Amino acid sequence: RKEVEQDPGPFNVPEGATVAFNCTYSNSASQSFFWYRQDCRKEPKLLMSVYSSGNEDGRFTAQLNRASQYISLLIRDSKLSDSATYLCVVNPRGGGNKLTFGTGTQLKVEL
Amino acid sequence: DTEVTQTPKHLVMGMTNKKSLKCEQHMGHRAMYWYKQKAKKPPELMFVYSYEKLSINESVPSRFSPECPNSSLLNLHLHALQPEDSALYLCASSQRENTGELFFGEGSRLTVL
Repeated sequence: RKEVEQDPGPFNVPEGATVAFNCTYSNSASQSFFWYRQDCRKEPKLLMSVYSSGNEDGRFTAQLNRASQYISLLIRDSKLSDSATYLCVVNPRGGGNKLTFGTGTQLKVEL
Repeated sequence: DTEVTQTPKHLVMGMTNKKSLKCEQHMGHRAMYWYKQKAKKPPELMFVYSYEKLSINESVPSRFSPECPNSSLLNLHLHALQPEDSALYLCASSQRENTGELFFGEGSRLTVL
């Protein structure tokens, strides 16, 4: 089983739609969790950290379920500019900064 | 614009060449990283420097040699590379080690002929 698993997509959605991505992780001792976005041929950029109680930043909501070992990202009112690959990133306990990146989920928002 | 600056943006080199990739940040971050990313794959950690000391080397071949001259600069020296080393090399920084909040540079796209 991969340490961090994501559905690669692509998810093709119309503008204005709500879309959700899930990510599962295998190390139950994992310490912290993040979503990054990466545009085609660009660098990854931190989108948001994921807190135990869930957190929201504008149209983006992140949730953590430690019992089931998954995190989710919900995007409401999708924009064309949201088209990107979304990377789930896990920081294992005691792992220094050896972050584990998922392979990413590709989102395409269409007119 | 990214606050982590990498040069060069593109590099083509032969297998016998010696070249260097450079990275600079002025955010006062004390941890800096080199990642390698192949097409349609996630970034793979190569090295971590914390307070200018190498703290993680992910068993990277010796043809890649990192250097951290000061807290703002990070270099990656390349020598006798193989064509399979062609990739996007990403530098990143963070306030401290053991945080998942990294700031990446735009990367140096390397082609080895």
